[in-house]
Amino acid sequence: NAGVTQTPKFQVLKTGQSMTLQCAQDMNHNSMYWYRQDPGMGLRLIYYSASEGTTDKGEVPNGYNVSRLNKREFSLRLESAAPSQTSVYFCASKSLKVSGNTIYFGEGSWLTVV
Amino acid sequence: GNSVTQMEGPVTLSEEAFLTINCTYTATGYPSLFWYVQYPGEGLQLLLKATKADDKGSNKGFEATYRKETTSFHLEKGSVQVSDSAVYFCALSVMDSNYQLIWGAGTKLIIKP
Repeated sequence: NAGVTQTPKFQVLKTGQSMTLQCAQDMNHNSMYWYRQDPGMGLRLIYYSASEGTTDKGEVPNGYNVSRLNKREFSLRLESAAPSQTSVYFCASKSLKVSGNTIYFGEGSWLTVV
Repeated sequence: GNSVTQMEGPVTLSEEAFLTINCTYTATGYPSLFWYVQYPGEGLQLLLKATKADDKGSNKGFEATYRKETTSFHLEKGSVQVSDSAVYFCALSVMDSNYQLIWGAGTKLIIKP
C-alpha cells in the first residue's frame, strides 16, 4: 500500500550543485504535482503534470525542471541549487480531473542548500 | 481569482478545549473544499472534504460545513487532544484552475496537556 513514494527524504546540497528528487505513485493517477512548503507560506505549486507526456508551470517554477517519465513517475530537478531553494518538497498525485477527488501526498523531502 | 484565507497561527489550546480554525475562500464557480492535516515530520493527509454547499465533512471528531452564503469552511472539534497538534491546511479545487488545489497558508495547532 505504497501510495506516493518520494526520495530522498533528507538532502544537504552546496550552492551550485544539482540533484533530482524522485517521485512514483502506484495508484494509476493521471495528475502529478510538485509543491514546496515554506514556513508561513503554505504549499506553493512548482510544476504539475496533468497526464503522461505533459508538464506545466505552477506558481514558482523558476530554478526547477521536471520530467514525467511515465504514468507512475514524476521527477523534479534542481540544476544549480540556491539557498532560497531550502524547503520541504512534496510530490502528490490525483486521479481524474474532478473537483472533489482527493490528492495524495508523499512524505516529503527536506532539502537544505548551504 | 481563487484564494483561501485561514486564520494565522499558532493556535494554542488546552486539552479538551473546543477548537475552531477559520477558513474563508473566494472562488469562481462551485469549488470543492478540503482540510488537510500535517503531523510533525510527516506529509499531508486528507482530513475531510465537502463537494457542495451545506455538505458537512467529518473525520476523527473534526467537522467542517460548506457555507456558500458566508464562503466559509471552518474546522471544528469539540474536545481536542494532545495528539491533534499539527498544521492544518484549508484548500479548494475548482474547474477553472484545472482542478488544482488552491491552498491556505496553514494554521499550526498546539495542544497543551
